[in-house]
Amino acid sequence: KQEVTQIPAALSVPEGENLVLNCSFTDSAIYNLQWFRQDPGKGLTSLLLIQSSQREQTSGRLNASLDKSSGRSTLYIAASQPGDSATYLCAVLQGAQKLVFGQGTRLTINP
Amino acid sequence: GAVVSQHPSRVICKSGTSVKIECRSLDFQATTMFWYRQFPKQSLMLMATSNEGSKATYEQGVEKDKFLINHASLTLSTLTVTSAHPEDSSFYICSARDRGTGGIEQYFGPGTRLTVT
Repeated sequence: KQEVTQIPAALSVPEGENLVLNCSFTDSAIYNLQWFRQDPGKGLTSLLLIQSSQREQTSGRLNASLDKSSGRSTLYIAASQPGDSATYLCAVLQGAQKLVFGQGTRLTINP
Repeated sequence: GAVVSQHPSRVICKSGTSVKIECRSLDFQATTMFWYRQFPKQSLMLMATSNEGSKATYEQGVEKDKFLINHASLTLSTLTVTSAHPEDSSFYICSARDRGTGGIEQYFGPGTRLTVT
């Protein structure tokens, strides 16, 4: 059974810092890995999707890496801003159908 | 593009009543839709996979007679929580896959907050 773990559960940093969120998964047989952002009481916003054959994806200040063999992914956020405050969820796609989510990292960027 | 809506966004109902939640793909056709549940400060858990015109596939531990799913068209799936109880209070989120692109990416709705009193 696939298990996805995110560390840390919560993170608070001052504005302007670069930061890294971690995601690990137990079964490397995945189709892809996706990072989402969720604001309180809201749905999910897809940030980055990395196919199983890829090593990383970049969008603006965000960079996600994938090491499938070791079951790890990181989300790097550069020059953090208060607007980046949210919960970040990592999810892996198994069997081309089922998304398995981690517990999320609650990020707070302090002005 | 690839917008998914849910209605209602919030609903409060009394224990023992049933409530229906709609999930619509607004600008694409979705042969497959997914229903997730999220308890406070927890992650999303897949409840069921819904394919247009066929019965939904439920995850282990999810009662199919309590959570009725209907996917009658390529743009609409509904989740009915029957005889709701306070423990069913949760955030329900749907997602859909775009039939046209043939891709496997899921597009998520904004969620429905259900409170059972």
